[in-house]
Amino acid sequence: DAKTTQPTSMDCAEGRAANLPCNHSTISGNEYVYWYRQIHSQGPQYIIHGLKNNETNEMASLIITEDRKSSTLILPHATLRDTAVYYCIVREAGANNLFFGTGTRLTVIP
Amino acid sequence: DTGVSQDPRHKITKRGQNVTFRCDPISEHNRLYWYRQTLGQGPEFLTYFQNEAQLEKSRLLSDRFSAERPKGSFSTLEIQRTEQGDSAMYLCASSRLAGLAGVGEQYFGPGTRLTVT
Repeated sequence: DAKTTQPTSMDCAEGRAANLPCNHSTISGNEYVYWYRQIHSQGPQYIIHGLKNNETNEMASLIITEDRKSSTLILPHATLRDTAVYYCIVREAGANNLFFGTGTRLTVIP
Repeated sequence: DTGVSQDPRHKITKRGQNVTFRCDPISEHNRLYWYRQTLGQGPEFLTYFQNEAQLEKSRLLSDRFSAERPKGSFSTLEIQRTEQGDSAMYLCASSRLAGLAGVGEQYFGPGTRLTVT
């Protein structure tokens, strides 16, 4: 069963920051938050993950609230190539698979 | 290109036929996963290998499905007596065995799209 809640869809203007929210109110202390995206007709692509602290890499930033019940993925300057379905995943401690859910469809508008 | 390759990219088969898909993971990755994705849904876990050992199977993996990773490198997924409900994208992923976090950092191939007519 899904442990995360995401909006079904979002739009973002090209060049602006895209902020994708995720609710994971039942997360437990040793569970990581992962973000993946899937561009049409491609396999999912790993973006970033975190446990407690905010994380940043060359693709995005991950902001996790202090109570860990929600997080936000930030794409600082969205481009048309960022149009994709974005999945927020809470991975159970010891689980060997990822539960994807249905994600947020982000459309970047020119 | 993530470094994970799958073959074929597309397969059309008639109901009742057997099909086999191949996945070549990133060479230094110990773990290999198979997922299935139907239209409008996220990928669903089927099974995974650590080296050559198949350590977990989902209840989605009926007895018509079998997966192997004979030498701990490439893997095959075979579906026997295909049914129309097997039509889906079959995705392969690999990851390092590098602590609890590393297992979740999976690199996916482009998938094999199966159509059963």
